Amino acid sequence: EDQVTQSPEALRLQEGESSSLNCSYTVSGLRGLFWYRQDPGKGPEFLFTLYSAGEEKEKERLKATLTKKESFLHITAPKPEDSATYLCAAEITKGGSEKLVFGKGTKLTVNP
Amino acid sequence: EPEVTQTPSHQVTQMGQEVILRCVPISNHLYFYWYRQILGQKVEFLVSFYNNEISEKSEIFDDQFSVERPDGSNFTLKIRSTKLEDSAMYFCASSEVSYNEKLFFGSGTQLSVL
Repeated sequence: EDQVTQSPEALRLQEGESSSLNCSYTVSGLRGLFWYRQDPGKGPEFLFTLYSAGEEKEKERLKATLTKKESFLHITAPKPEDSATYLCAAEITKGGSEKLVFGKGTKLTVNP
Repeated sequence: EPEVTQTPSHQVTQMGQEVILRCVPISNHLYFYWYRQILGQKVEFLVSFYNNEISEKSEIFDDQFSVERPDGSNFTLKIRSTKLEDSAMYFCASSEVSYNEKLFFGSGTQLSVL
């Protein structure tokens, strides 16, 4: 069964304290790995797409990396406004169909 | 910045009733999706739609569900006879270029089935 698992479920950081979120996947036919940010009461907001092992993408304090089994979202010197739930999703292809399989997310809280 | 708009933001209905959730995708986008998120659970794929037909649907999307693009701007999800387990946040999304590439999500409709 295709699975996407994120850890930790929740993470509390002090402002400026860098850390990483993990997304491990066991899927067949991975086409891409996506990171989204979700604020309370809102829909997910697209951050990154990664397609191949070794690929890295950066946006402000966030950097996403991908290996053959997992992806990391590195947060450097986070600020309180980075507080949100971060979701990863694997795009899988099976029998000609394509869909996104999401993880449960990591709820990040950054304290000032 | 263009955004996906969903109405209503909250919908309360009685079990067995029909509901229609409405979405206005971003105007130049061609691919449309419905996802749902039960409280505390993962975001789950329901259906994708392109060129006026369903491209893909999940096991959740059974005969009680249907989608429609009645005009050039709206995209709707209908649940014919709601069940308690249909209670969830329903998200509409759209993308411009291809399936699943950089989805833009709406803020969701919270559906409560009593």
